[in-house]
Amino acid sequence: ETGVTQTPRHLVMGMTNKKSLKCEQHLGHNAMYWYKQSAKKPLELMFVYSLEERVENNSVPSRFSPECPNSSHLFLHLHTLQPEDSALYLCASSPSLLAQYNEQFFGPGTRLTVL
Amino acid sequence: AQTVTQSQPEMSVQEAETVTLSCTYDTSESDYYLFWYKQPPSRQMILVIRQEAYKQQNATENRFSVNFQKAAKSFSLKISDSQLGDAAMYFCAYKNYGGSQGNLIFGKGTKLSVKP
Repeated sequence: ETGVTQTPRHLVMGMTNKKSLKCEQHLGHNAMYWYKQSAKKPLELMFVYSLEERVENNSVPSRFSPECPNSSHLFLHLHTLQPEDSALYLCASSPSLLAQYNEQFFGPGTRLTVL
Repeated sequence: AQTVTQSQPEMSVQEAETVTLSCTYDTSESDYYLFWYKQPPSRQMILVIRQEAYKQQNATENRFSVNFQKAAKSFSLKISDSQLGDAAMYFCAYKNYGGSQGNLIFGKGTKLSVKP
């Protein structure tokens, strides 16, 4: 596996379900990100981790809970979601948070549908 | 707060022709980076080109080039000799320079179609 991978690629869940999205990067990067991509809206940054520590949380509802057990893995735990949470969730990584190294490499995304 | 605006939700170009995608941004910073990302249908987003604000020379990557106008806060992407594989969503993005000040700020994107 190379680059940034995400599983599952598609997920359908009910509002009372609990599920998790997984992201793995094979690039040796120190920073990882979760984005939400909705139709006709800019990508929304949700969470940023640097060296496994959360450095940014952009007012994301508590029904989204991130976890970064090590610099290669990032999870997004989901519970009691709403239909408006349906979107493409993108994971990205970068060598560090410093701008000059901050080319972000994206995963293919998880298409989430909340019924 | 910085913002990025892409005023063209959709664009179309004939194969082998040239197309320009527009992007404007708003910032009070003098040092920053600008990016164009490409997201093909059902495929991963990839970096197309990057421009450092302190460089006057416009960045170029093969058939992709930018027209960076710092005073006007404009950062357009030109695709020459368009190919069918260029069909994708294109996102303009901004990032402050230095430290961990902020993160990538994206525009809403422009959907580019390439006609054979």
